[in-house]
Amino acid sequence: EPEVTQTPSHQVTQMGQEVILRCVPISNHLYFYWYRQILGQKVEFLVSFYNNEISEKSEIFDDQFSVERPDGSNFTLKIRSTKLEDSAMYFCASSGNRGNQPQHFGDGTRLSIL
Amino acid sequence: ILNVEQSPQSLHVQEGDSTNFTCSFPSSNFYALHWYRWETAKSPEALFVMTLNGDEKKKGRISATLNTKEGYSYLYIKGSQPEDSATYLCALILTGGGNKLTFGTGTQLKVEL
Repeated sequence: EPEVTQTPSHQVTQMGQEVILRCVPISNHLYFYWYRQILGQKVEFLVSFYNNEISEKSEIFDDQFSVERPDGSNFTLKIRSTKLEDSAMYFCASSGNRGNQPQHFGDGTRLSIL
Repeated sequence: ILNVEQSPQSLHVQEGDSTNFTCSFPSSNFYALHWYRWETAKSPEALFVMTLNGDEKKKGRISATLNTKEGYSYLYIKGSQPEDSATYLCALILTGGGNKLTFGTGTQLKVEL
């Protein structure tokens, strides 16, 4: 069965550094998402991407965050200048259609900011 | 702030027990409710997407019901097995809310031998 794959599985970065989290969504899916879970909190939505542009973003997704689909297969999340509070598990997901179809999640990237 | 609540927060049952848990959400602007099963160190796995009031869905020993008028969904597991141990998440999509999933806190289920 097709899977969403994420790399790396764990990223440790100094505060203020840039990080890029990578995702390969399921190939025939059209919608792509990033979510995150800070330890002990709910999974929270960051951004959705459709037709090569952001379709929706949360308040968390400020100017420090950006997403890109550079080559038709990868979907990346960049954090320009990381803060301690960016430490979380970041999940990529993809879906074939609107909200009446399930979103398929990757295994996540654990981001630790020191 | 959209509040999706799940109860109980955690649950310990014996193998063979049947169990159920609840997801509560605001009943206005409902579009879809998703249920996911999330094992530690793995990705959340989609169980059901429910859209219509009165929907009942079943996958093996797991089933779910939906009441959009009163704003709740139940997830049932019949004859729990140790491999059912996981966190069960519900997530809501609103009309006009794009495809954004708003998650509950989850119910952590532990099935003991």
